[in-house]
Amino acid sequence: GQQLNQSPQSMFIQEGEDVSMNCTSSSIFNTWLWYKQDPGEGPVLLIALYKAGELTSNGRLTAQFGITRKDSFLNISASIPSDVGIYFCAYDQTGANNLFFGTGTRLTVIP
Amino acid sequence: DARVTQTPRHKVTEMGQEVTMRCQPILGHNTVFWYRQTMMQGLELLAYFRNRAPLDDSGMPKDRFSAEMPDATLATLKIQPSEPRDSAVYFCASGTGELFFGEGSRLTVL
Repeated sequence: GQQLNQSPQSMFIQEGEDVSMNCTSSSIFNTWLWYKQDPGEGPVLLIALYKAGELTSNGRLTAQFGITRKDSFLNISASIPSDVGIYFCAYDQTGANNLFFGTGTRLTVIP
Repeated sequence: DARVTQTPRHKVTEMGQEVTMRCQPILGHNTVFWYRQTMMQGLELLAYFRNRAPLDDSGMPKDRFSAEMPDATLATLKIQPSEPRDSAVYFCASGTGELFFGEGSRLTVL
């Protein structure tokens, strides 16, 4: 079946540092989504990407849809403690919100 | 502030017992999803509905799991009988476009 591999699996960073994580697949996708899950909560959509090469920002977050359509990157600038959580990439399997999620990157920000 | 509401938030039960989890999707959303999250498997899609009709439940063990939408404001996920391997956080989500998740029901089967 499909697999979305995210790296790194976990990160421990100092507050104020920039963060970079990525998601790769063996298949080509038309949509990449990035979700964040706070501890004890459900995932929340951060950024949606719909075109190869697209670069989209949401505050301190920037995500890019890889030109090969097989990968995507999420960057967080100047991290703060509330950035703690698990970041998931996902794609829409059927175009009907039927999402397949990656393995997740767990981020810890040390104040 | 519209949100997906799930009950119970936490459930501890013994193996063999029936478990029912409930979800109230956001009013107006006609697509509802059930996901399960475990450390080993991550987030897995169990089933989803559109306009209350089940579209895909291939991710769900059919022998013990059942999902229904008795009306547009209620989705249920039932496990009977429950087993320790069913211990997980179960999320309901709804959306047309963006997917909105509930806070999850954490199930522990002893």
